[in-house]
Amino acid sequence: GESVGLHLPTLSVQEGDNSIINCAYSNSASDYFIWYKQESGKGPQFIIDIRSNMDKRQGQRVTVLLNKTVKHLSLQIAATQPGDSAVYFCALSNDYKLSFGAGTTVTVRA
Amino acid sequence: NAGVTQTPKFRILKIGQSMTLQCTQDMNHNYMYWYRQDPGMGLKLIYYSVGAGITDKGEVPNGYNVSRSTTEDFPLRLELAAPSQTSVYFCASSGGGAEAYNEQFFGPGTRLTVL
Repeated sequence: GESVGLHLPTLSVQEGDNSIINCAYSNSASDYFIWYKQESGKGPQFIIDIRSNMDKRQGQRVTVLLNKTVKHLSLQIAATQPGDSAVYFCALSNDYKLSFGAGTTVTVRA
Repeated sequence: NAGVTQTPKFRILKIGQSMTLQCTQDMNHNYMYWYRQDPGMGLKLIYYSVGAGITDKGEVPNGYNVSRSTTEDFPLRLELAAPSQTSVYFCASSGGGAEAYNEQFFGPGTRLTVL
């Protein structure tokens, strides 16, 4: 099965700075790599995905980078805001199923 | 649209009791999923369904059962509750197609404690 891990379980960021959240995976057969955000007491919410044949994709204030050579995925959040405080999960997709990593808790300092 | 709704929000069960966690979506999604999330962990897939009448096991199906008689509803049944089933349970749905299933829409979760 898939194995998805994260480099750091927690990340503290000053408001206005950029955040970088990292994720490592062991199986490169996935079609897509995805990031989800989970705010306290809520279900996860889709942020952005990237197809396996791409190395970069940008969204609104977010950029996902994929390095298949070293099996590494990252999420960059520009100008981090208090509303970005949450747990962030990377996930791999195969056959319409997702495998989630353990999550990184991001805390934004005022 | 209400999206994905789950009931109940909280429940305490005694060991050996049974219960059904309800899940309903109003987005006409074919794909539905049940996950459990233990403290500090990611989500583990319990069961999923690709359409009415079709269900399949995920990563951690033991101790659970599901049914999918309609597109909208995907209940999860716990037959003999055990302390190891203490967790937060999330239901999710997604559309079909090449990328659509990457974006799963999650309910607010059910927090279950088995004592």
